[in-house]
Parts: sequence; structure tokens; C-alpha cells
Amino acid sequence: EVQLVQSGAEVKKPGESLKISCKASGYSFTTYWIGWVRQMPGKGLEWMGIISPGNSDTRYSPSFQGQVTISADKSIRTAHLQWSSLKASDSAMYYCARRFSGSHHHGDFDYWGQGTLVTVSS
Amino acid sequence: QSALTQPASVSGSPGQSITISCTGASSDVGSYKLVSWYQQHPGKAPKLMIYEVSKRPSGVSNRFSGSKSGNTASLTISGLQAEDEANYYCCSFAGSSTSVVFGGGTKLTVL
Repeated sequence: EVQLVQSGAEVKKPGESLKISCKASGYSFTTYWIGWVRQMPGKGLEWMGIISPGNSDTRYSPSFQGQVTISADKSIRTAHLQWSSLKASDSAMYYCARRFSGSHHHGDFDYWGQGTLVTVSS
Repeated sequence: QSALTQPASVSGSPGQSITISCTGASSDVGSYKLVSWYQQHPGKAPKLMIYEVSKRPSGVSNRFSGSKSGNTASLTISGLQAEDEANYYCCSFAGSSTSVVFGGGTKLTVL
């Protein structure tokens, strides 16, 4: 069974760093791209970026380029999303998701993690 | 890139059909057959319902169908059921591997 299990909710202060994780199981981790999607409270979905765990090829949305870092560790079958200096506006639910192999589009995801809620407040 | 435009809400009675529109531009929806639709129930992760305009992933009911005309894509749900009540988001390729744009979402209410 394919599963993406994300790390737990985080409460941080502005300026702090954070790294959240997404552990994959049930499939060949290096074969499928893993993407990250932000959902701010009561708002819609935003595509942040995507990584190929096999060769660490990473693509960022222009809106998130330079704001976050996406990485993957093949040895532990885990993808990460990290911030070096959080802002209050980073408060949101963050989902990781596996790219659907049946499409030709980095926006199609067939399996999703349960989400990690990040709260940034002083 | 700008978000795709969806109606904020739609509603229908059980058994009826509804259509949700998703309007983009010639740089995204209008130029590519790479529009997808997601269903999201409150507190849950999104679920892929339609990809490449009109294809259904395995396991998705054939009550869900997609189409596109010009810069507007549409999701139609036939034979509405109570469990279809959710938020629906369209998503489109927008010209490069770093350009993926979502719509603002539509809340479907089953009356």
C-alpha cells in the first residue's frame, strides 16, 4: 500500500528555521516525483515545487523560489521541505504528494500525505 | 502566473448534474490539454478526480467527467450524491515545469 506519512504539527516563532518531512512507503521511492502544496487557512491550493528523489532534480514555483528548500533523502525514503527564517505568513497546512505517473504534468498527484500544519506566531 | 477562476460555490440536489467551470488564459488552460480536477473534503487531503482534461484515474466514479473549450475547463458531476459535497479545485499546466496553477476552489453543496 502506497503511503506518505508527514511529520507532526509545528508551532514556531518568526525568524526560526523549520524542516518538515514526508516519509514514503509501498512503492519505489526513486521512481516518482514528490511535490509540495501549500494551503493557507480557509484558502485554496498552491503548488510550491517538486523533486525527483532519484537524482534530486528540483523545480520551484516562482512564488516559492528562494523562500523554501525542497530535498529528498533516498536512504530513508523521505522528502523534506524547509525554511531558514519563518514568517507569520508561512502559517499554513503543507501537503506532500506523489506525482501521478499516468500524466504529463507536475500538477497531477495521486497519493497525498495527511498534511503538516505549521503555525508561525510570536 | 494568476490563479484560475472558479465560481465560489455551486449547489444541486441529489440525482441532479452540476458543472463547475475553471477559466484561465491562453497561456495555460487554453494552450494545453493538461487540466486536472481535485476533490477535497474538509480536513482531508485533496483527491485527484480528473487529469488531462477528461481522463479518470483508476477508482474514480464515471459520474465525474471533464471537458475543455478555449480557455475554460469544466467538471461535470452527474447523479449527485451527498458524498460529493466538498471543495473542488482545477489545476493547469502553465507553460513550463515550474508553472502549475490552481483555481481558487468551488464549494459544492448537495441540497
